[in-house]
Amino acid sequence: KQEVTQIPAALSVPEGENLVLNCSFTDSAIYNLQWFRQDPGKGLTSLLLIQSSQREQTSGRLNASLDKSSGRSTLYIAASQPGDSATYLCAVRLNAGKSTFGDGTTLTVKP
Amino acid sequence: DGGITQSPKYLFRKEGQNVTLSCEQNLNHDAMYWYRQDPGQGLRLIYYSQIVNDFQKGDIAEGYSVSREKKESFPLTVTSAQKNPTAFYLCASSGREVNQPQHFGDGTRLSIL
Repeated sequence: KQEVTQIPAALSVPEGENLVLNCSFTDSAIYNLQWFRQDPGKGLTSLLLIQSSQREQTSGRLNASLDKSSGRSTLYIAASQPGDSATYLCAVRLNAGKSTFGDGTTLTVKP
Repeated sequence: DGGITQSPKYLFRKEGQNVTLSCEQNLNHDAMYWYRQDPGQGLRLIYYSQIVNDFQKGDIAEGYSVSREKKESFPLTVTSAQKNPTAFYLCASSGREVNQPQHFGDGTRLSIL
């Protein structure tokens, strides 16, 4: 059974700091990995999608990497801002129907 | 604007009552999904549908039912058999191919009266 772990569960940083969020998974037979952002009481907003054949994807200040063989992905946020405060979730796609989600990392960026 | 609309935003269920959560998408996506999120936890899959008139159970389907009569719509019914229905329910959709990203609605928060 695929398990997805996100460590740490919560992270607090001062504004302007670069930071890394971690996502690990137990079964490397995945199709892709998707990073999401969730604001309190809201749905999920897709940030980046990395296919299993790719090593990384970039969007603005965000960079996500994937190492399938070791079962790890990282989300790098450059020059963090208070508006980046949210919960970040990763999800691995197992087949056409199923994805397994981590429990998320709650990020607080202090002004 | 293309997107996924979930309604209502808040819903209250009485003992023994069935309630239905609405999910509509105008993204022309073939696949649709229902997830449940409990506080501080990730999402768990309830049901998914890859094509009209077909759907599959997810990991926690007991006490829930769905239908997929139209491509745009995937309603979820929380039946009285679901003894712990209080949660945040999220609907998602994606293209049929496995390499397509999932897109989410804004969720429905269900509570027991």
